[in-house]
Amino acid sequence: QKEVEQNSGPLSVPEGAIASLNCTYSDRVSQSFFWYRQYSGKSPELIMSIYSNGDKEDGRFTAQLNKASQYVSLLIRDSQPSDSATYLCAVNIRQAGTALIFGKGTTLSVSS
Amino acid sequence: DAGITQSPRYKITETGRQVTLMCHQTWSHSYMFWYRQDLGHGLRLIYYSAAADITDKGEVPDGYVVSRSKTENFPLTLESATRSQTSVYFCASSTGEGTEAFFGQGTRLTVV
Repeated sequence: QKEVEQNSGPLSVPEGAIASLNCTYSDRVSQSFFWYRQYSGKSPELIMSIYSNGDKEDGRFTAQLNKASQYVSLLIRDSQPSDSATYLCAVNIRQAGTALIFGKGTTLSVSS
Repeated sequence: DAGITQSPRYKITETGRQVTLMCHQTWSHSYMFWYRQDLGHGLRLIYYSAAADITDKGEVPDGYVVSRSKTENFPLTLESATRSQTSVYFCASSTGEGTEAFFGQGTRLTVV
C-alpha cells in the first residue's frame, strides 16, 4: 500500500459546482498536510497547508483534516475552468524523514 | 527573486552515460529534495538533504547520486543512465522539517 492514496480521477464537474478531492495516508503520526496544484507541463504549486484537525479556508478552497481517520480533503467552491489541473496531496511521512510524500494526484476537469 | 532554478530544462542522453542535473536555490532553505514524476506513479522522492553535507535516500534512490557541499546547490547525478530513468525531475526546497516545499521548473530527461 502506497503511503499516500488519492483517486486518480478524472473528476469532472460543471462550472460553478463544488469539487471534492480526497486523500488518505498511512502514517498515524504525520503532522503536516499539503495540497498542490499542477497544470500540464508545469511544476507543482502549493495551494493549501493544514496541520490541525478541522477545516481551513482560503478563498474558494477549503482543506479538511481528520487525523483519527487519516484523511485529508480539499473542497473547491464555485469551480472555474481555470481550476482544471491535477491536484496532489502531500504528507510528511515519518519514514521519509523531513520530506513530503505525494499521492499520485487527482485530475480535475471543470467544464464551462 | 530567482527562487529555485533547475538546469538544463531538457536533456537527451544515451544509455550508459553519466548525466548531472543541477539545482540552485537563492532562499537559503535548509532542506532540498529531488523527485521524479512519471505517468502512473506520480511524484516519487529520490533523495533529500537536511543541510549541507547531510543527505538521505528517498523512495527510489537506486542509480542516483547526490551531493550537497553548499547550502544553495543540490546536484543529482545519474551514474550510468538507463531508459527507465527517462522522466521529469523536480528539485524542491523547504525551510524546515515537514514544511511546504517549493519546486523548480523541472528537467525533462530522455535516455535513448
